[in-house]
Formats: sequence, structure tokens, C-alpha cells
Amino acid sequence: DTGVSQDPRHKITKRGQNVTFRCDPISEHNRLYWYRQTLGQGPEFLTYFQNEAQLEKSRLLSDRFSAERPKGSFSTLEIQRTEQGDSAMYLCASSLARSAGRNEQFFGPGTRLTVL
Amino acid sequence: AQTVTQSQPEMSVQEAETVTLSCTYDTSESDYYLFWYKQPPSRQMILVIRQEAYKQQNATENRFSVNFQKAAKSFSLKISDSQLGDAAMYFCAYRLANRDDKIIFGKGTRLHILP
Repeated sequence: DTGVSQDPRHKITKRGQNVTFRCDPISEHNRLYWYRQTLGQGPEFLTYFQNEAQLEKSRLLSDRFSAERPKGSFSTLEIQRTEQGDSAMYLCASSLARSAGRNEQFFGPGTRLTVL
Repeated sequence: AQTVTQSQPEMSVQEAETVTLSCTYDTSESDYYLFWYKQPPSRQMILVIRQEAYKQQNATENRFSVNFQKAAKSFSLKISDSQLGDAAMYFCAYRLANRDDKIIFGKGTRLHILP
């Protein structure tokens, strides 16, 4: 097991284009989280899944953003009609929810998005 | 709403010396977790240390220890015998207990280790 992986690691796109990122969690982890980290800031929560169910979405997640986890394994985060303000590092994390509250979130390396 | 504040954007310490990173937080909850995460340049974030709010004893992990002051809502990280590999962004973070949902992060402190 090599930890949480994200693809691509870097993405440069033009304003108005759609982009999709992928996250592969640690095997058997049933919870998966997306965070966004802009320059000089700490990560901000976007959304999370338990298995395939999306349980919470931040108000940061505008209607241009959509996340899926169709089979309860990998997840995708799509941004439609990208804007320059979407430029950020997109972090994925996963955890195994066994005992409530004590479960560590393991982070991936992130996808750095640059919108020109 | 819960917030986490790190008032030191950058700090520097001589190799082998001790440094303390500050963090304050605000919450009306009584049961929660506090964390320090390390994010090395171009590498993924890892958990350094965790403190459970109901525990009075300060957490320790090798050279890393915390000073948890619940009444003051203060949670500082002390790094002893600083090493070059400790250079990174350090984030103080908070999460409600009994819920595996979002972690709330501070803005981070960039730590430089001087050889």
C-alpha cells in the first residue's frame, strides 16, 4: 500500500475549460475527503464521502464543482468553466472509520491547478 | 464556528535548538481533537502529533511535544533538537470528536532550520 495517490500532480488550463482530478485512497479506507489549499493558506474542507455517499459539502463548493465516488473506491473532482480564482492545490485525504472520531486522515500529494 | 489562528507566518531556528510554534483556537465545544500537521516542500502533509481535549496530559512524540491549555484555548508545538528535515510548513488544526468529518486548519507557520 503506497498511500493516497492523486492524478495529475499538476494541471495548467485556460479559463473556461473543464478539469477533472482523480484521487485513489488507501485500500479499504471508507472515508474520502477533498480540501482546497490556496497560496499562503491552510487547507479548506470541500466535501467528503463515506463509501459512495457524499455526506457533506462546504459552501465553498459552488455549482461548478462536482465530486463523485461511484464505487466507494476512487473519487473524482470536476471543475467546470474554470476561473482564475480556482487556482489552488487540491488535496485528497482518506480514513478508515472504525471507532468514532479517532480515525486519522491520510493526505495525498495534491493536484496543483493553475488557471491562466 | 470553530476557528484556528496561527500568528507566526514564519519562524527560524538554529539546528539542534528548540523552537515553539503558537496556535490558538476558538470553539464552544468541549470534546474535540487538536493536531499539528507538517507539510514539507512539494511533499504530502503528515500528522505530527494529536491531542484529545479531554486529556489533561500533553501529548509527546519523540522530539515533538505540545502545551495544551484548554481554558486559554492555546495549543503550541515544541520541537526539540531541531533537524534540517524539520523544515516545513506546520499547520495547527482542529476537529470535533466523535465525528470523522472536516478538519479546520490554521494558515500555517513556515519553519526554517538554519545549519
